This record gives sequence, C-alpha cells and structure tokens, in this order.
Amino acid sequence: GAVVSQHPSRVICKSGTSVKIECRSLDFQATTMFWYRQFPKQSLMLMATSNEGSKATYEQGVEKDKFLINHASLTLSTLTVTSAHPEDSSFYICSAQEGFGNEQFFGPGTRLTVL
Amino acid sequence: DAKTTQPPSMDCAEGRAANLPCNHSTISGNEYVYWYRQIHSQGPQYIIHGLKNNETNEMASLIITEDRKSSTLILPHATLRDTAVYYCIVRVALTGNQFYFGTGTSLTVIP
Repeated sequence: GAVVSQHPSRVICKSGTSVKIECRSLDFQATTMFWYRQFPKQSLMLMATSNEGSKATYEQGVEKDKFLINHASLTLSTLTVTSAHPEDSSFYICSAQEGFGNEQFFGPGTRLTVL
Repeated sequence: DAKTTQPPSMDCAEGRAANLPCNHSTISGNEYVYWYRQIHSQGPQYIIHGLKNNETNEMASLIITEDRKSSTLILPHATLRDTAVYYCIVRVALTGNQFYFGTGTSLTVIP
C-alpha cells in the first residue's frame, strides 16, 4: 500500500519557538494532503486541507497564521507551528490522497511537546 | 462534523469474529462509508470502504444495510493485534475529500 512518512516523529521545544513538521508521500504523488491534530484520548480533528501549489484551506477555528502549511510539491507538505505554546502540545498527523475521491493514507504522526 | 455514531467500546474474544456497528442515518446517496483503525500512538490505517454493496478484502468485510443508514465492519478472526480504535467515516461528497472523524469504537481483543 501507499506509504506516508512524517518527520520528526517526536519533538520537544521551548515555548515561543517555531516547529516544522514534514509530511511526505513516498511512492505516489499526492494531489491533496491533510493535517490533523489529536489530543490525548480524543479523536482526530481536521485542521486544514492543502493542494499542491495553492493555499491551504483551514477548518473553522484553526488559526492560519499560527499553523502555516506549505505544499510545494506533489510529495511534500509541511506544517509549521509558529510561536508554540504548551497548549499546542499534541499529536499531529498528516494524510495524503492520490487523485480526487480516493482513500487517504496516513503518516505515523508527530508528537509535539511544548515546554 | 462527523456524521456517524459508534459504540464507545467493545470487547471480543481472540479468534472470534468482531462485529463493529456504525450508524450513519443521514448519509447522502453519493457518500461512501470508510473504515479506518488507529493503534495507540500511530496514524490511522485504512481498512475498507463501500458505497452500497457489501465489500470484502484481506482485512475485513463491510456490510451496508439496504437503506444505507448503518453498516457493520466484520473482522472474521480477531487477534490481539486488532486491538485499536475503529473509526467509521462518511465521506462528505459536497466538500470533496475531507474526512471528519467521530469518536470511534475502542475494540479490545481478549486472550
């Protein structure tokens, strides 16, 4: 099956710093990538949808200036958490989709801890 | 928003079939039913999806009722490695590709 990777798998940073998370589709071209956030014992919450070469579409309540998404190529999307605070500590998961309407393949997730 | 309801938890004996129900009474005619599972601290794993016909693959079977208002995921011979949270998702056709996850069912396979 299709493989999606994320880097780093876990990161610890100080409050006020920015953190970049990479999401790559390894064996297919992803026309669309998605970013989710998951707090402990909760479900995945969709943050934004990004299409290659265009601006991301953010879900209601997600600050686009805080969570910067770049989808510069068909195999790479990045999420930058700017000026991170402890409440941003969470499990961030990306997914990628090849073409319209196909199933999404998820990355292994990135555990962010902001001290 | 998620358009599905699932029981919060279920137990299943190892080697027995696990039947996980999902209610999606407001599903539209062109919306698919997808099933994913998430093992602790990992990304969700695709299991199966269907529109109206029953589907089967190497992992599971998906039974969709004739009125499409509910479905059941069947793991024919549950193993300990099947312990996970199982999510039933209705793909919102109007907005295209987004998946909105509900709360899922936490399945525990008991030795």
